[in-house]
Amino acid sequence: AQSVTQPDIHITVSEGASLELRCNYSYGATPYLFWYVQSPGQGLQLLLKYFSGDTLVQGIKGFEAEFKRSQSSFNLRKPSVHWSDAAEYFCAVVDMTTDSWGKLQFGAGTQVVVTP
Amino acid sequence: NAGVTQTPKFRVLKTGQSMTLLCAQDMNHEYMYWYRQDPGMGLRLIHYSVGEGTTAKGEVPDGYNVSRLKKQNFLLGLESAAPSQTSVYFCASHTGLAGVYTDTQYFGPGTRLTVL
Repeated sequence: AQSVTQPDIHITVSEGASLELRCNYSYGATPYLFWYVQSPGQGLQLLLKYFSGDTLVQGIKGFEAEFKRSQSSFNLRKPSVHWSDAAEYFCAVVDMTTDSWGKLQFGAGTQVVVTP
Repeated sequence: NAGVTQTPKFRVLKTGQSMTLLCAQDMNHEYMYWYRQDPGMGLRLIHYSVGEGTTAKGEVPDGYNVSRLKKQNFLLGLESAAPSQTSVYFCASHTGLAGVYTDTQYFGPGTRLTVL
C-alpha cells in the first residue's frame, strides 16, 4: 500500500530564512505528488504538483519542490520565508490503482511557525 | 464562481444527535470527497462519489453516510454522533474522468464539529 511520511511534525524558522519540508513516499512506480498548504482556519490550497518531466517543480507563493526517485522524496523548499507562510503543509500522493478514482493519500502534516 | 462551499462552518452536537453536512461545488466536477482532519493524522478519506447517484467508502467510513442526489451537492450524515467524530471535516471536488490522476482536488473551507 502507498504511504506518505512527513518526518517533521513542527518546524520553527526565522522570517527571511530558508525553509525545507521533507516528504517521503512509499510506492512502486513513479507517483503523482502534491503539496498543499492550510492556513489557520482555512481549507487546503494546492502549492504545486509533480507528474513527470523536470524533477524541480515551481509552485505558487515562491515555493518549489524536487522529486528524487533514488531517495523516494519530494521535499518542499522556499529560499526566504515570510510571516504569512506560517501554516500547516501537507504532502500527498494519488492512489494510482485503476479503481482508486484519484483518491489522495496524505501525510500527517508539518506545522511551520515563523518567528520575527 | 464560489468553488467548493461547506455548510455549516461550526457545529456542536450532543452524543446521539444527528446532523447533515452539505458540500456544494459550482465547477461541474464529477468526483467529490469527504475527509476528516485530526491532529497528527493528516486528512483521511471518509466517503467519495464519482458521479451523481454514486457513493463509495473510503478509509474511515464507519458512523457516516453520504448521498449525491445532484451532481453539485455531496451530503455527509451522522446518524448518531459520538465524541470520536469530533473533527474538522473537509469536502473536495475533482474534475475526474481523463484527469483523474493529474487534476487538482479543490477543497472547501471546512466544518468544525464538536460532539459532547
